[in-house]
Amino acid sequence: DTGVSQNPRHKITKRGQNVTFRCDPISEHNRLYWYRQTLGQGPEFLTYFQNEAQLEKSRLLSDRFSAERPKGSFSTLEIQRTEQGDSAMYLCASSLGNHRDEEQYFGPGTRLTVT
Amino acid sequence: AQTVTQSQPEMSVQEAETVTLSCTYDTSESDYYLFWYKQPPSRQMILVIRQEAYKQQNATENRFSVNFQKAAKSFSLKISDSQLGDAAMYFCAYCTGTASKLTFGTGTRLQVTL
Repeated sequence: DTGVSQNPRHKITKRGQNVTFRCDPISEHNRLYWYRQTLGQGPEFLTYFQNEAQLEKSRLLSDRFSAERPKGSFSTLEIQRTEQGDSAMYLCASSLGNHRDEEQYFGPGTRLTVT
Repeated sequence: AQTVTQSQPEMSVQEAETVTLSCTYDTSESDYYLFWYKQPPSRQMILVIRQEAYKQQNATENRFSVNFQKAAKSFSLKISDSQLGDAAMYFCAYCTGTASKLTFGTGTRLQVTL
């Protein structure tokens, strides 16, 4: 397996446009996480899925953000009506889903720039 | 709310020397886990080491070890025999026993010099 992949790697969009990111986790992993990382900060949790069920969402995830994992495999994160404050690196991670302390495997991230 | 604090924005170490990165956390939970993740420049974040809060013994992974002081809520990372490839951002992270999400600190940028 090649690890967690994310597409696109970079996205530049104008304020007010909608964007969608995709994450493909490691194939046998049941849990999938989305984090956001701004410059000089650590990643901040956005949401996570156990299979296709979205089990937790952060208060950071405003109603402009929506995430899906329709078949328990890949996931998409959509941001509607983007704002300049949405500019960040969006990280996806996956884990087996068997243990609470298990390692999360991170993708390379999608860097979003809102102009 | 749980918080993770890394008070050293940048650290520098000479190759083959030892360096310690600091991390403190705040929680009211008794069941939790602590992690150190490494983020090399333009590369994916990877797990360096993890520690279960119920274990008194400090975790060790080759050249990486932790000093876990539960009462002080301190979780420092020691890197021995530093190598050029250790240069990266290091993030301390926490998760509770009931949730899977990680709470990260702001990171420490480690430079390794010849």
